[in-house]
Amino acid sequence: GQQLNQSPQSMFIQEGEDVSMNCTSSSIFNTWLWYKQDPGEGPVLLIALYKAGELTSNGRLTAQFGITRKDSFLNISASIPSDVGIYFCAGLPYNFNKFYFGSGTKLNVKP
Amino acid sequence: SAVISQKPSRDICQRGTSLTIQCQVDSQVTMMFWYRQQPGQSLTLIATANQGSEATYESGFVIDKFPISRPNLTFSTLTVSNMSPEDSSIYLCSANTRSDTEAFFGQGTRLTVV
Repeated sequence: GQQLNQSPQSMFIQEGEDVSMNCTSSSIFNTWLWYKQDPGEGPVLLIALYKAGELTSNGRLTAQFGITRKDSFLNISASIPSDVGIYFCAGLPYNFNKFYFGSGTKLNVKP
Repeated sequence: SAVISQKPSRDICQRGTSLTIQCQVDSQVTMMFWYRQQPGQSLTLIATANQGSEATYESGFVIDKFPISRPNLTFSTLTVSNMSPEDSSIYLCSANTRSDTEAFFGQGTRLTVV
């Protein structure tokens, strides 16, 4: 089956620092999604990517669809305490209609 | 986007009983899914809820334990049957929109079995 490797598993950073996390897959994906999950809530969609090489921003968040179509990364600039949470990547293989999820990156931001 | 409402948001249940979780989407969607998430872990797909037919279950999940209904394009239920403490988890409903290129989630149901 499909495998998504997400790293890092967790991060402890200082407020104001930039953050980068990534996902790699064993096969080609048509779509990459990035989510944030707060405690006690469901994942919330942050950014959707549909084309190889695509670079998309949502405020301080920027995500890219890798050229090989097997990876994606998410950057958060100038982190703030409310960025704390778990970030998940999700990928949609060609001709599939269900997403595969990474293991998550737990982000901790110290004020 | 889609707004997905799940209820109950949490419950504490006795072992051996069953709980039915409801999922309502604010628009018609083709694909609906049910996931399980252990605290601090990623999402594990339980099944695809098919409208008007039996759900498609992932390896390790069976209909007798997790019966699913999907009577129309906006509503689905997941039942956790004959519960044991190992079933304590967060259960999430999800739906695809925009030609299956985006997936949205409900807020989850936190289940504790005692």
